[in-house]
Parts: sequence; C-alpha cells; structure tokens
Amino acid sequence: GESVGLHLPTLSVQEGDNSIINCAYSNSASDYFIWYKQESGKGPQFIIDIRSNMDKRQGQRVTVLLNKTVKHLSLQIAATQPGDSAVYFCAENRNSGYALNFGKGTSLLVTP
Amino acid sequence: EAGVAQSPRYKIIEKRQSVAFWCNPISGHATLYWYQQILGQGPKLLIQFQNNGVVDDSQLPKDRFSAERLKGVDSTLKIQPAKLEDSAVYLCASSPLRSVYNEQFFGPGTRLTVL
Repeated sequence: GESVGLHLPTLSVQEGDNSIINCAYSNSASDYFIWYKQESGKGPQFIIDIRSNMDKRQGQRVTVLLNKTVKHLSLQIAATQPGDSAVYFCAENRNSGYALNFGKGTSLLVTP
Repeated sequence: EAGVAQSPRYKIIEKRQSVAFWCNPISGHATLYWYQQILGQGPKLLIQFQNNGVVDDSQLPKDRFSAERLKGVDSTLKIQPAKLEDSAVYLCASSPLRSVYNEQFFGPGTRLTVL
C-alpha cells in the first residue's frame, strides 16, 4: 500500500555539523508534508511543513527540500545542537481524510 | 496557550482487562485525532473526529476499541478487552480546522503496557 518511509533508522552527528534526514514517499497524490520531532516521553512536535507546489522551504536552522520527481524529501538541520537529539518523522497529509501518514522515524544523536 | 492534555500518562493492565484514555484538545480546535504509536514506529491513525462526529475510523479495531467525543470537546478512547499487542503509546492530537494544510498539535501520550 501507500507508505512514507525513511532511508536510515539512526544518524549520529557531531555538535555543530549539519544534519540531513531523508524520507521517501510512494503516493504521488500527496500534496502536503510535515516534519515532526519527537523527544523521549513526549508527543511529536511540529518542525516545518511544505506543500507540493514548493520545492524548498526554510525555517530557523531547518530547511525542507521536496523532490516530487523521485518522491523524496529531506530535512536539513544547520549547526546541529545537543537539543536536536530526538526521533524525526516525516508525515504526509493527503487530501482525503486529513490525518497524517507517518514514516518509521530516524533517530538523530548529536555527540559533543 | 495550553496544549493538548492527556491522562493518564502511564497505565499497566493485564490482558483481557479494560482501559480508558482521556484527551482534552486545545481550546477551539474542532478536529481531534487518536493515534497509536508502537515502539520504534511512527504514529498510526485510529480515529478522527470533526466536532462530535466521526470522520474516519477505518483503522480502528472496532471489536475492542471505541471512542467518543460527545460534546465536541473532550474525547475518550477505550479498549475492551486489551490484548498484548495493544501495548503502545496512545497519542491525541487536535487541529483548528479540517484542512489538508493544517498543523496538528500532539499531546504527550498515554503509555499503555499490557501484561
């Protein structure tokens, strides 16, 4: 069936480096994508979103890139900090139903 | 602005017992969602409400799970009887409108362990 998946389950980066978390989706009808951050014991927290009519969107220290041709999106975190350590999920919010379809998540570990 | 509230935060029960979770969404949010998050996986939608009506419950195991949002505000999710595979975190989320481009705000979740 349709799915949103992540390429790597874990990512370890040094503090200050840039992080890139990738996500593949299979439903070409998906028109809205969201990145969530989930810390241990907490619910997912919104980071940034992007609509399908865009290919790049920037926030504070974060950038999301969308490549509709290959059905791929990525989250870039600049100058990664220890507080960025968490599990990151990409999710799609399709036109039907409006609920979120989540991938499995990537665990980001920031080392000093 | 107060966030989505959930209780209890943790619950341990034996299989075949019943359990109920409560959610209070952000004030004014019309849409409420219940998700199930099994360890190591992303959240999976169980049911979606728009005010007090069910919009989508296609993934809710209706033989054992039930949910209600009687007054269009608070919601309760019940499992009766529980199975071992129901061990998970149950997340409640809300959003202001039923829209594709609408951010969903999540509560802290209730961690259920079924023994």
